[in-house]
Amino acid sequence: EPEVTQTPSHQVTQMGQEVILRCVPISNHLYFYWYRQILGQKVEFLVSFYNNEISEKSEIFDDQFSVERPDGSNFTLKIRSTKLEDSAMYFCASSEGQGGISNQPQHFGDGTRLSIL
Amino acid sequence: GENVEQHPSTLSVQEGDSAVIKCTYSDSASNYFPWYKQELGKRPQLIIDIRSNVGEKKDQRIAVTLNKTAKHFSLHITETQPEDSAVYFCAAKFDSSASKIIFGSGTRLSIRP
Repeated sequence: EPEVTQTPSHQVTQMGQEVILRCVPISNHLYFYWYRQILGQKVEFLVSFYNNEISEKSEIFDDQFSVERPDGSNFTLKIRSTKLEDSAMYFCASSEGQGGISNQPQHFGDGTRLSIL
Repeated sequence: GENVEQHPSTLSVQEGDSAVIKCTYSDSASNYFPWYKQELGKRPQLIIDIRSNVGEKKDQRIAVTLNKTAKHFSLHITETQPEDSAVYFCAAKFDSSASKIIFGSGTRLSIRP
């Protein structure tokens, strides 16, 4: 069964440094997402991406965050100047859909644990 | 605003008994309700979902019910087994959104042997 893959599994970064988290969505999916989960808390939506542009974003997704699909397979999340409170598990997900709307199941990757020192 | 409330936060049941987790949502214009299971340190895994044109859906020991009038939906696990122990999240997609889903706060389910 196809899966969403994420790298690295764990990233340790000094506060103020830039970090890039990488994801390879399921190949025939058109919608891509990033979610965040602080330890012991619920999963929080960050951003969705469709047709090479951001479709929706949450209040968490401020100017420090950006997403990119640099080629036909990768989907990245960049945090420009990391803060201590960015420490969390970051999940990438993807889903099918068409026409700018998706009610299809979202499949999650294993996540990247980001630790800011 | 868009919000999903989930109860209880923790649930302990005897192996073989049933477990029920309940969620309510804030906006009547919601059309898709997935449930995710998350084991410790693992990814959220979709276990079942239901759409607003259906009142109930079942998959083996797992069932989900939806009451659109009351704006609540529930997960039912029958004949619970030790491997059912995990955190369960309900979620909802609102009509005002193109694709994002809003998660509930999670229920930690423990199955007592």
